[in-house]
Amino acid sequence: QKEVEQDPGPLSVPEGAIVSLNCTYSNSAFQYFMWYRQYSRKGPELLMYTYSSGNKEDGRFTAQVDKSSKYISLFIRDSQPSDSATYLCAMSFLSSNTGKLIFGQGTTLQVKP
Amino acid sequence: NAGVTQTPKFRVLKTGQSMTLLCAQDMNHEYMYWYRQDPGLGLRLIHYSVGEGTTAKGEVPDGYNVSRLKKQNFLLGLESAAPSQTSVYFCASTKRGEGTGELFFGEGSRLTVL
Repeated sequence: QKEVEQDPGPLSVPEGAIVSLNCTYSNSAFQYFMWYRQYSRKGPELLMYTYSSGNKEDGRFTAQVDKSSKYISLFIRDSQPSDSATYLCAMSFLSSNTGKLIFGQGTTLQVKP
Repeated sequence: NAGVTQTPKFRVLKTGQSMTLLCAQDMNHEYMYWYRQDPGLGLRLIHYSVGEGTTAKGEVPDGYNVSRLKKQNFLLGLESAAPSQTSVYFCASTKRGEGTGELFFGEGSRLTVL
């Protein structure tokens, strides 16, 4: 079993829909939680990060962390065709001195006009 | 403003051949990483380096070697390529103590081993 599990999709939604992307994890020592966005044939780019539990909002994007359930989510409101990409969750430890991240498998999202 | 540059972007090898992927970053980052990305498996860490002259194994190190002779460069070598090493390879870097988990990635190197 992977430390971080993510449904690979693909997920197809109409423009304007609310999108929910999720990851579960097994290691309770994870403290930093991130979402990366990867466009086709490009490298991943950091979209949002959250420390410990709680919510964080940035424009149309909201990241949620529920450490009691070992579950994180990314919500996209009013989705746009430009949001079509692969979304990867990633996690790391508070005391890490290597900067290493553990990634989920990635969920491919297509937003149709 | 180049960021992280990977060379080459595409390569086709025959089984048993060797090659080296070069990663260069111009952000003065201490930490550098090599990941491979495969369908259904996501990004898996091959090797990483926390500073010039130091390297360490990641999750899937077998069949690969690395070197970090200069702070800005991180080389990934395949001594005897196998079809199982067909993948997209990503180099990434970050600043020590960054805390936000922001890795800066290159655009990837697509390797096919026949």
